[in-house]
Amino acid sequence: DQQVKQNSPSLSVQEGRISILNCDYTNSMFDYFLWYKKYPAEGPTFLISISSIKDKNEDGRFTVFLNKSAKHLSLHIVPSQPGDSAVYFCAASEYNFNKFYFGSGTKLNVKP
Amino acid sequence: DTAVSQTPKYLVTQMGNDKSIKCEQNLGHDTMYWYKQDSKKFLKIMFSYNNKELIINETVPNRFSPKSPDKAHLNLHINSLELGDSAVYFCASSYSGTLHFGNGTRLTVT
Repeated sequence: DQQVKQNSPSLSVQEGRISILNCDYTNSMFDYFLWYKKYPAEGPTFLISISSIKDKNEDGRFTVFLNKSAKHLSLHIVPSQPGDSAVYFCAASEYNFNKFYFGSGTKLNVKP
Repeated sequence: DTAVSQTPKYLVTQMGNDKSIKCEQNLGHDTMYWYKQDSKKFLKIMFSYNNKELIINETVPNRFSPKSPDKAHLNLHINSLELGDSAVYFCASSYSGTLHFGNGTRLTVT
């Protein structure tokens, strides 16, 4: 019972263009959403988060959009850079942060 | 000055053996976790500790026993290792909703 799903295992984008990574969830009790970036042989590193009271959060080239009615969030990277090539995980938690549920990841390849 | 460090990075062992993975965080966080990344790349929570107290045990076989001697450490001991235990195990800590991960321990059971 995957409560957080990332249906695209991979995405390839040209340098300078927009990368859009998508994530869907099923649990309406989720209150807090995060994106993590992971390079090979390293642990995931925190990228950006959004709470359910917002529908958008921006940090530099990274913007996360939340559509609560559709139980969908997306991460936009503009402009994409080759160093952004990594696996991106979406995660969600209820308000108490006791448990974080992760998607299976999307491997982004940004071509120079 | 790594924030969350876990050792060893790689662990190759035979079925039936007992092994431990150590984790330490220097962030002053109260909550620590163990996550398992399986062959399908899903990151699944195994345990969560808050101030040395177990708060989440996600139906993990009792061959897995976490131990938290203090709030900066959360070690994972695994008895009678099985082939299916082969995975990457990540330790993490959190404060206010942001997880900080170690670099993982790749466990291979032969």
